[in-house]
Amino acid sequence: NAGVTQTPKFQVLKTGQSMTLQCAQDMNHNSMYWYRQDPGMGLRLIYYSASEGTTDKGEVPNGYNVSRLNKREFSLRLESAAPSQTSVYFCASTLTASSNQPQHFGDGTRLSIL
Amino acid sequence: GNSVTQMEGPVTLSEEAFLTINCTYTATGYPSLFWYVQYPGEGLQLLLKATKADDKGSNKGFEATYRKETTSFHLEKGSVQVSDSAVYFCALAPNSGGYQKVTFGIGTKLQVIP
Repeated sequence: NAGVTQTPKFQVLKTGQSMTLQCAQDMNHNSMYWYRQDPGMGLRLIYYSASEGTTDKGEVPNGYNVSRLNKREFSLRLESAAPSQTSVYFCASTLTASSNQPQHFGDGTRLSIL
Repeated sequence: GNSVTQMEGPVTLSEEAFLTINCTYTATGYPSLFWYVQYPGEGLQLLLKATKADDKGSNKGFEATYRKETTSFHLEKGSVQVSDSAVYFCALAPNSGGYQKVTFGIGTKLQVIP
């Protein structure tokens, strides 16, 4: 029962470097989400994909891009990493885009930018 | 806009003590309410939910009642265990067609000591 799988689990980058965070789900869910978690701020939505082929901005999209590669996979890219992007990143999925469905989360990627 | 308020903690309790974690919300309409739990090094997991006023969600000995008159969804457990040590997030989701942003609280850290 893999659920939502995120890779890598940890990463350290230098300012200006780029990287892609990977997320895959095996629950045949249609909708996927990327959040960042920062102390004292809860979870903030970066981008979401209501269905395969669509993506939309969340509340903190600046500095990020996403790709919904297929129904299973949703990647998050940092083109030029900044220290302010040091955070824990979570991918989540739901069966449909209806907001009142429980979200299924991966275990997170802990990203430090020096 | 919508908001969720909960204390950050940490809340420290002895094993078998009674637990209450307060959650109040501000929202238009009639949202669904959730409690998620995050164990160290893991992603969030759904603990319980309620979709309309006076509904009681329950799971693993935890309970929360959707109180529209006080706009609250407090989490309770009669006798906590060391294994309940985690961060607990209250969340609100609009009950409408299509996706609208889920609002998370900042999370309350619970420490249970033997």
